[in-house]
Amino acid sequence: GAVVSQHPSRVICKSGTSVKIECRSLDFQATTMFWYRQFPKKSLMLMATSNEGSKATYEQGVEKDKFLINHASLTLSTLTVTSAHPEDSSFYICSARVPGQGLLAFFGQGTRLTVV
Amino acid sequence: QKEVEQDPGPLSVPEGAIVSLNCTYSNSAFQYFMWYRQYSRKGPELLMYTYSSGNKEDGRFTAQVDKSSKYISLFIRDSQPSDSATYLCAMTVYGGSQGNLIFGKGTKLSVKP
Repeated sequence: GAVVSQHPSRVICKSGTSVKIECRSLDFQATTMFWYRQFPKKSLMLMATSNEGSKATYEQGVEKDKFLINHASLTLSTLTVTSAHPEDSSFYICSARVPGQGLLAFFGQGTRLTVV
Repeated sequence: QKEVEQDPGPLSVPEGAIVSLNCTYSNSAFQYFMWYRQYSRKGPELLMYTYSSGNKEDGRFTAQVDKSSKYISLFIRDSQPSDSATYLCAMTVYGGSQGNLIFGKGTKLSVKP
């Protein structure tokens, strides 16, 4: 399957600071990437759809000013959690579709964010 | 009623057992069905996908879809301790963007040696 790399895998930050998470497609170009948040024992929750060269599309209830998404190239999307608070602590996962492979989605390794 | 229902478990089986994991759904428009495996603190890994009713086999894994009952299953034969993970079903409508991929909560499986 296609490879999606996410970095960092784990980050601890102080309340009020910002954290940037990177998502890269290593062996294909992804015009669209997706950001999810996962709570313990809960389903993956789609936060936003990241489109290369245009603004991200956010799901209802997701604060776009808090979760900044940038998709500046065909292989890189970033999620920045701004002014992080303890309630932002979660597991964040990105995914991408491979052009020509329909609706198949490949996921990054995930980032465990802990805000202290 | 949620769109996709999946028993979160946990499910514990002895090594070598046949495992059956299931999801039910309410939206008859769903046409693509996928199973992901997620190890602890890792991203989901695509295991199998199908878009038609019936069975699809890949090694020890068999995906089964029954659209008339809105029911999908994943069977694991000769289960191994390395199969211990959370299994997520996911589905979407024909032509929908991946943003419409709807996930179950996941079933946590533990295979004991």
